[in-house]
Amino acid sequence: AQSVTQPDIHITVSEGASLELRCNYSYGATPYLFWYVQSPGQGLQLLLKYFSGDTLVQGIKGFEAEFKRSQSSFNLRKPSVHWSDAAEYFCAVALYGNKLVFGAGTILRVKS
Amino acid sequence: NAGVTQTPKFRVLKTGQSMTLLCAQDMNHEYMYWYRQDPGMGLRLIHYSVGEGTTAKGEVPDGYNVSRLKKQNFLLGLESAAPSQTSVYFCASTPREGASHYGYTFGSGTRLTVV
Repeated sequence: AQSVTQPDIHITVSEGASLELRCNYSYGATPYLFWYVQSPGQGLQLLLKYFSGDTLVQGIKGFEAEFKRSQSSFNLRKPSVHWSDAAEYFCAVALYGNKLVFGAGTILRVKS
Repeated sequence: NAGVTQTPKFRVLKTGQSMTLLCAQDMNHEYMYWYRQDPGMGLRLIHYSVGEGTTAKGEVPDGYNVSRLKKQNFLLGLESAAPSQTSVYFCASTPREGASHYGYTFGSGTRLTVV
């Protein structure tokens, strides 16, 4: 069955440090991949998406993600984290039938 | 531009009570979804709709019913609430061209507690 794995439940980084959040997927065909961010008490906001072309995609708020087919990964990165980036991040893959399957999420804490 | 609006935002129910969660979108989206979010489990699909008058079961449909009588509205019902249904519920929508290209637009969620 198709699935999305986010290996890290919690990550803590210092403000100004770089960030990488991991996402691995299990899907037979070419995947359509997404990263969402959820601030406390809020809904989910789309950060970026990949469905073809350049494997490095740019998103909002200074985030980027790289699709690596050989590793079945779609890791999210940011060069310098700001305190306002503290949130929960979800990776998702789009399935046939127009449904998204989400990972369990990674909670990012930023220390000053 | 409201996007996806969920009502209510918070609710406390007693075990056995019923309620309906309303989702309304003003983007003329074809597809609509109900998810529940629980700690450590991400979002799990309850039911979804591919158009007005249609509904289908998702991953965790038991204990819930849905209706989509109008294209812009998608209702989620709990006939007899149980403590296991304590969760945050999210509605989402996507246009006819599909989730693969556009992802979802989410509502802000309904936090439901069943005591």
